[in-house]
Amino acid sequence: GAGVSQTPSNKVTEKGKYVELRCDPISGHTALYWYRQSLGQGPEFLIYFQGTGAADDSGLPNDRFFAVRPEGSVSTLKIQRTERGDSAVYLCASSLRGENNEQFFGPGTRLTVL
Amino acid sequence: AQSVTQLDSQVPVFEEAPVELRCNYSSSVSVYLFWYVQYPNQGLQLLLKYLSGSTLVKGINGFEAEFNKSQTSFHLRKPSVHISDTAEYFCAVSAFGGNDYKLSFGAGTTVTVRA
Repeated sequence: GAGVSQTPSNKVTEKGKYVELRCDPISGHTALYWYRQSLGQGPEFLIYFQGTGAADDSGLPNDRFFAVRPEGSVSTLKIQRTERGDSAVYLCASSLRGENNEQFFGPGTRLTVL
Repeated sequence: AQSVTQLDSQVPVFEEAPVELRCNYSSSVSVYLFWYVQYPNQGLQLLLKYLSGSTLVKGINGFEAEFNKSQTSFHLRKPSVHISDTAEYFCAVSAFGGNDYKLSFGAGTTVTVRA
């Protein structure tokens, strides 16, 4: 079956612009995670959804970052007033449930803020 | 909160030689432990995980890891590597129990296998 997909694969934007990054999880997976991977570092947690609700958003760096999952499937990560420091690969993962379940990762969206 | 330290940022190794990637973690609670691999231009793929039970865990592609609670380590090993094992490897932890399922990753170890 299809894995986790993310669109776009690459996004180049200018400082101050608004961007949306999309994640399509594996069908039937109720848990969805967003991570951010900066160059030379491991992924860092941003937010976790269980169904439609954000169960843990403690990793969002500031109020410019927001994520939604209105129907419990597709999720969108939204970044307002982008800054050059937001440049990174944004990874999405899904799992069947939360605890103990393998997180399946998408290929990521590479965001470049000029 | 949990944190992970991968002690080697780069590991060059010859084909058919053994390799060990070191991982230490810090946590105030019990943890689950994972190793992920990221091949060039691909997403993260789970190699193996430790949840409970035997401290020696076997994963895909001939990799294994051993959980050592007293040393808070989870080192990854492979007795004989192939060119195709060239990739970045990440150690990760998550808290045991509760509702905290997020993964905390190390900075990664780049393995380069040479003929």
